[in-house]
Amino acid sequence: AQSVTQLGSHVSVSEGALVLLRCNYSSSVPPYLFWYVQYPNQGLQLLLKYTTGATLVKGINGFEAEFKKSETSFHLTKPSAHMSDAAEYFCAVSPSSNTGKLIFGQGTTLQVKP
Amino acid sequence: GAGVSQSPRYKVAKRGQDVALRCDPISGHVSLFWYQQALGQGPEFLTYFQNEAQLDKSGLPSDRFFAERPEGSVSTLKIQRTQQEDSAVYLCASSYGTFQETQYFGPGTRLLVL
Repeated sequence: AQSVTQLGSHVSVSEGALVLLRCNYSSSVPPYLFWYVQYPNQGLQLLLKYTTGATLVKGINGFEAEFKKSETSFHLTKPSAHMSDAAEYFCAVSPSSNTGKLIFGQGTTLQVKP
Repeated sequence: GAGVSQSPRYKVAKRGQDVALRCDPISGHVSLFWYQQALGQGPEFLTYFQNEAQLDKSGLPSDRFFAERPEGSVSTLKIQRTQQEDSAVYLCASSYGTFQETQYFGPGTRLLVL
């Protein structure tokens, strides 16, 4: 069965510092991988996704993630945090052979301190 | 353009009541998904429609949960005889095609069962 683990339910960084949110997945076949962001009282918004091809994926708002098959990881990074990045972040996997349903991790709350 | 909309945004029900949650997907989107998000958790898949066909209902937690999409657009998630453990945010998402297309999420319906 597919699963997603996000290490660290809460991450706190200073404004301007590097953001690193960790995600590991388990999958017997190469999955499709996603990062979503959720602001309070809003729906999830796609940040970026990996399907095939280049393993370094760039997304919106300066975020990027690298698919590392050998480590079964898909960590999310941003070089310089902004106050507006404070939100809940979810990593998700979609097994390549199913209907497209997403399996989510438990989420990481990002706090950005001034 | 208009995104995915859900109604009501908030619903308070007494234990044992039936509730109906509505999802209006983006016009023309073939796929529609329902997810349940408990407090502090990631969303969990409930069911999937491709047009009017319900192709996957493996995530529905019990036979009290029922979903339909009779004309291939608007969908309703119905919960009969609500229980306190049904309290959660119910998210709807739609995508243009099938298989790993980007899913666009609505703001969710927050259900509280007293």
